[in-house]
Amino acid sequence: DAKTTQPTSMDCAEGRAANLPCNHSTISGNEYVYWYRQIHSQGPQYIIHGLKNNETNEMASLIITEDRKSSTLILPHATLRDTAVYYCIGPGDAGKSTFGDGTTLTVKP
Amino acid sequence: DTGVSQNPRHKITKRGQNVTFRCDPISEHNRLYWYRQTLGQGPEFLTYFQNEAQLEKSRLLSDRFSAERPKGSFSTLEIQRTEQGDSAMYLCASSLGNGGRVYYGYTFGSGTRLTVV
Repeated sequence: DAKTTQPTSMDCAEGRAANLPCNHSTISGNEYVYWYRQIHSQGPQYIIHGLKNNETNEMASLIITEDRKSSTLILPHATLRDTAVYYCIGPGDAGKSTFGDGTTLTVKP
Repeated sequence: DTGVSQNPRHKITKRGQNVTFRCDPISEHNRLYWYRQTLGQGPEFLTYFQNEAQLEKSRLLSDRFSAERPKGSFSTLEIQRTEQGDSAMYLCASSLGNGGRVYYGYTFGSGTRLTVV
């Protein structure tokens, strides 16, 4: 399984962009990168995934470096409800992997 | 379809008792996963099914744990002779998958919180 590394915690001001980095240097060429978030006492929620190209959906944008060794999840206008733990997971068949401890994002007023 | 449903939401049991949890996935999803999550940690993979076949089990899944998915629909996770170390949130997820690819990510349920006293 590809190993991912994320910062333990980050703060962001409400209304500003939140940029959450993830290092996945061991990812192979055909493995997708998935991002999830987990709000206290709920199951993880799927945000976005990508392989090579940058992706955008109604929740976030995903920027993947050309060498695919890292990615950044962007929440363009963070709100207080975006306070959560954000997980980046590497393998294409992500259900078989451990999530790691993720990044705790705190959005402050 | 209201998503992935897990029952019960909470379970308190005495050490040594058996417990069973149920997961109802999204109906068109062919894959179903079980995870365990302890406080302050990320979810840990336990096992997964493709249709009714159990394709992989983590070494975390001791002999006291058994999972089934009869007819490829709902799934049950049973823990026999519970121990205090089994206290955790047990999460179920489903997805539509084919081979090594997963489409659209995983949909998780809200989990079953187990407390062994």
